[in-house]
Amino acid sequence: DVKVTQSSRYLVKRTGEKVFLECVQDMDHENMFWYRQDPGLGLRLIYFSYDVKMKEKGDIPEGYSVSREKKERFSLILESASTNQTSMYLCASSLGTGSDTQYFGPGTRLTVL
Amino acid sequence: GNSVTQMEGPVTLSEEAFLTINCTYTATGYPSLFWYVQYPGEGLQLLLKATKADDKGSNKGFEATYRKETTSFHLEKGSVQVSDSAVYFCALKGIQGAQKLVFGQGTRLTINP
Repeated sequence: DVKVTQSSRYLVKRTGEKVFLECVQDMDHENMFWYRQDPGLGLRLIYFSYDVKMKEKGDIPEGYSVSREKKERFSLILESASTNQTSMYLCASSLGTGSDTQYFGPGTRLTVL
Repeated sequence: GNSVTQMEGPVTLSEEAFLTINCTYTATGYPSLFWYVQYPGEGLQLLLKATKADDKGSNKGFEATYRKETTSFHLEKGSVQVSDSAVYFCALKGIQGAQKLVFGQGTRLTINP
């Protein structure tokens, strides 16, 4: 089974802090994704990566950056956390070109005070 | 651009009732269509998918048919169980661009015994 793990289930940070969310997949997948989930808005794509050191902006990249130094790990960075970034963050991965199915981690619920 | 619209929730049903959750989409060509489910405290997992018109995806008693003429992918189950209580997301993957998914806003389903 594909396993996608996220570093924390719950995280509380203060406004202005730099925040790192880590995601690791164990199935040698090419593609990795970061979404945020908010009530009534579904999932919105922040960034995705289709290869090591490659990244593309999703629909809501403002205030976020990402890093993919190794194939199995994809990090989401909030350079200066703000209260409007309080949300559930979901990481996903998929095999590669031609593969539709994304596999999701359990999510990190981030609260910014 | 591509978009997905789901019926408003929450939906509350009694055990053994018939379930329909409506999903319509806007996209160019023939996208791939998905239903994902999120059980309480967990990430999303793929429930079923269809990749071409008139295909029927099915899993765990749920089914959905890809209807190109009505641009719909409604989720149905003949007899729901308490364990089906979850949030359901309809999603599509377009024919162009990278492997990213576009999600609907999600429908929360509660089944009462």
